[in-house]
Amino acid sequence: DTGVSQDPRHKITKRGQNVTFRCDPISEHNRLYWYRQTLGQGPEFLTYFQNEAQLEKSRLLSDRFSAERPKGSFSTLEIQRTEQGDSAMYLCASSLDSRPYEQYFGPGTRLTVT
Amino acid sequence: DQQVKQNSPSLSVQEGRISILNCDYTNSMFDYFLWYKKYPAEGPTFLISISSIKDKNEDGRFTVFLNKSAKHLSLHIVPSQPGDSAVYFCAASKGDSWGKLQFGAGTQVVVTP
Repeated sequence: DTGVSQDPRHKITKRGQNVTFRCDPISEHNRLYWYRQTLGQGPEFLTYFQNEAQLEKSRLLSDRFSAERPKGSFSTLEIQRTEQGDSAMYLCASSLDSRPYEQYFGPGTRLTVT
Repeated sequence: DQQVKQNSPSLSVQEGRISILNCDYTNSMFDYFLWYKKYPAEGPTFLISISSIKDKNEDGRFTVFLNKSAKHLSLHIVPSQPGDSAVYFCAASKGDSWGKLQFGAGTQVVVTP
């Protein structure tokens, strides 16, 4: 299967700890997106990469959040000093340059901050 | 500010009948609209899209209608099948936004035998 993969699928952490999530996009896709989804809501855009360049960041992405895509392939999303409000599903998606709106999503990483 | 709204959190429909899901938006700059489908424990899956220059797009059992003057779009599923039971998200994007999607809150569809 060559879909978008995310690791880990679930993460439980204590408030104040740092966490890092990984996303592996579909190999030929050079656009990569991070979204966050809370219960009863649709995904909310966090940030977007075209190859290794981070081109847009949402105001939702506070200075505790950082995302990288060092070689234009996989991406990591790090949350420092986690807070209970960070508990959510973190979704990664990828797309082709020619069809940016048709995004293929991974299964997500569910973060629980206790 | 929620610019894409799905006001029906749930919809129950009998197998074989039509499912109609509705979505409203407030930003007139949106020019591309999509529907995604989500099963539990999976990420959303792209279903169908429509550009603002069209008012209808059809793909098999799925048809999306766009009414720009009313800032409203709808998804019709005909005939509905049990496998269509899922959460459906409406999403919209602006042409200059590099593919940033804004999603509605979703509608849970249950197709009953």
